[in-house]
Amino acid sequence: GAVVSQHPSWVICKSGTSVKIECRSLDFQATTMFWYRQFPKQSLMLMATSNEGSKATYEQGVEKDKFLINHASLTLSTLTVTSAHPEDSSFYICSARASSGYEQFFGPGTRLTVL
Amino acid sequence: GQQLNQSPQSMFIQEGEDVSMNCTSSSIFNTWLWYKQDPGEGPVLLIALYKAGELTSNGRLTAQFGITRKDSFLNISASIPSDVGIYFCAGRNTGANSKLTFGKGITLSVRP
Repeated sequence: GAVVSQHPSWVICKSGTSVKIECRSLDFQATTMFWYRQFPKQSLMLMATSNEGSKATYEQGVEKDKFLINHASLTLSTLTVTSAHPEDSSFYICSARASSGYEQFFGPGTRLTVL
Repeated sequence: GQQLNQSPQSMFIQEGEDVSMNCTSSSIFNTWLWYKQDPGEGPVLLIALYKAGELTSNGRLTAQFGITRKDSFLNISASIPSDVGIYFCAGRNTGANSKLTFGKGITLSVRP
């Protein structure tokens, strides 16, 4: 149980385009989902926290208009990187916390490369 | 943001050896967690600790929540090649909006 999936697992796009990443909790309902980004050989940095049905809370320094987060249902959250630039290239990881639980379970990550 | 302290950045051990990793913080946490991340994958939860002084095992892994609530250690016994990966500690406090604070991770290499 407690499986979180992400789609796509990797994406390559041209500079200026927008990319949407999906995060799904497959066997549980997630009231809260978290989006992280990770640069090579570095730790996970929290970008934003999203609660189902409400606006996401962004960490300091994360542009909310650039990283659009939608948590429309208890099993799906999406992260859209708008007008992507090469510096947005990174490993994006979501995690989900069950409505009835306490722990966070992580997705497998999405590798974004912006050319 | 705040990070937990993990060092060294890399560890190299021989298959069959035990290894211990420490994680410290200047702040108190109510929960300590240890995750393992394989290349190109998301972190997987290994052990969660909820009480100061708690000692918990999961197979060959043992972790302890420090009495001061400012540190934790993870011990891996009889290491095997598949133990290779990055080990992150994470701390969290209670509350509806509680967030994980991660350490920088330790990359473990196991020589066969």
